[in-house]
Amino acid sequence: SQTIHQWPATLVQPVGSPLSLECTVEGTSNPNLYWYRQAAGRGLQLLFYSVGIGQISSEVPQNLSASRPQDRQFILSSKKLLLSDSGFYLCAWGPGGPADTQYFGPGTRLTVL
Amino acid sequence: GIQVEQSPPDLILQEGANSTLRCNFSDSVNNLQWFHQNPWGQLINLFYIPSGTKQNGRLSATTVATERYSLLYISSSQTTDSGVYFCAVDEGGSEKLVFGKGMKLTVNP
Repeated sequence: SQTIHQWPATLVQPVGSPLSLECTVEGTSNPNLYWYRQAAGRGLQLLFYSVGIGQISSEVPQNLSASRPQDRQFILSSKKLLLSDSGFYLCAWGPGGPADTQYFGPGTRLTVL
Repeated sequence: GIQVEQSPPDLILQEGANSTLRCNFSDSVNNLQWFHQNPWGQLINLFYIPSGTKQNGRLSATTVATERYSLLYISSSQTTDSGVYFCAVDEGGSEKLVFGKGMKLTVNP
């Protein structure tokens, strides 16, 4: 069966520090991968998605970036964190295609002070 | 882009009560999913239901695609049903899901 992992689970970082969040998927190959952010107010915002190694689509202009160095690994990064980057970051995977389901990881709670 | 509206925004129930959550969307969709976010933040798939009706235990869902809405029914609610329920649809046949703002359900013992 497929599983999705995220780490770290929680993170407290000072403003201006770098960021690296990692997501890995097991039990499938060539998945679509997604990064979402959930800020106060509950809504989920799609940040990046990838349909293959090295292919990244950005949805929202910001100081974050994403990379997919391996088929089942998705990384969210920042060179300098802002206070507004605080939130709950969720990684998801899907088999692919607009009519397919998405499955979410446990999330990383980021606080920028 | 497609708009997704959920109602009611918040709901408080006593254990054992039934409830209906509604999701309206502004355009035709290929994908509609219902999720439950538990108190620890984990999003759990409840239903993949772009059309028709499905049931899973005390939960069932119906999507009327021609009228652009979906309903999630929770019967005999339990405290473990508490959390936030999200409806999400694909945007223009793309690889992306657009989420509603969610509905916070609190089930009291």
